[in-house]
Amino acid sequence: DAKTTQPTSMDCAEGRAANLPCNHSTISGNEYVYWYRQIHSQGPQYIIHGLKNNETNEMASLIITEDRKSSTLILPHATLRDTAVYYCIVRVANFNKFYFGSGTKLNVKP
Amino acid sequence: DVKVTQSSRYLVKRTGEKVFLECVQDMDHENMFWYRQDPGLGLRLIYFSYDVKMKEKGDIPEGYSVSREKKERFSLILESASTNQTSMYLCASSSYRGASGNTIYFGEGSWLTVV
Repeated sequence: DAKTTQPTSMDCAEGRAANLPCNHSTISGNEYVYWYRQIHSQGPQYIIHGLKNNETNEMASLIITEDRKSSTLILPHATLRDTAVYYCIVRVANFNKFYFGSGTKLNVKP
Repeated sequence: DVKVTQSSRYLVKRTGEKVFLECVQDMDHENMFWYRQDPGLGLRLIYFSYDVKMKEKGDIPEGYSVSREKKERFSLILESASTNQTSMYLCASSSYRGASGNTIYFGEGSWLTVV
């Protein structure tokens, strides 16, 4: 699986958009970009994933650059409950193993 | 919603005890996984199973075994618990969805302390 690079931590004001970047410059053509988050003491929660096109669901939007070497997870209106560690993962679709890096600690402040 | 349920949230066991961690998923997923998570080491894969009675070792299988007798249930067994197995254990499941990708869903985690 391709390696990902994320900032260690970020701050965001409550109600504002949180934009979390991820670099994956060695991504292969058949690898998807996945985002998960983990709130303290709980299991990781699936957020969104994509291959080439931008994706949106009820939780977030995923913007993937045209060369696919980086992506951004957008939480449109961050709340205090969005404080968590956010993980960006790239992997092939039919490969069973999932590897989590260190992630970005997002602190949403009032 | 996908539901992955781990039987115990918090356990305290003695060194040398046999420990069973149970996991059940309700989405008819073929694949199930056991990870452990430790500070500074991230998530590490212990074992996974892609079908009933099938299992494959992950990256750190030593000291663990698994059982998958039914599709919805995947058990992690610590044959003789040791203090270095104190950790948070995460069960997960997934199903291959072809072109749309293969999403893994996690349980809430089981905090095991071995004393």
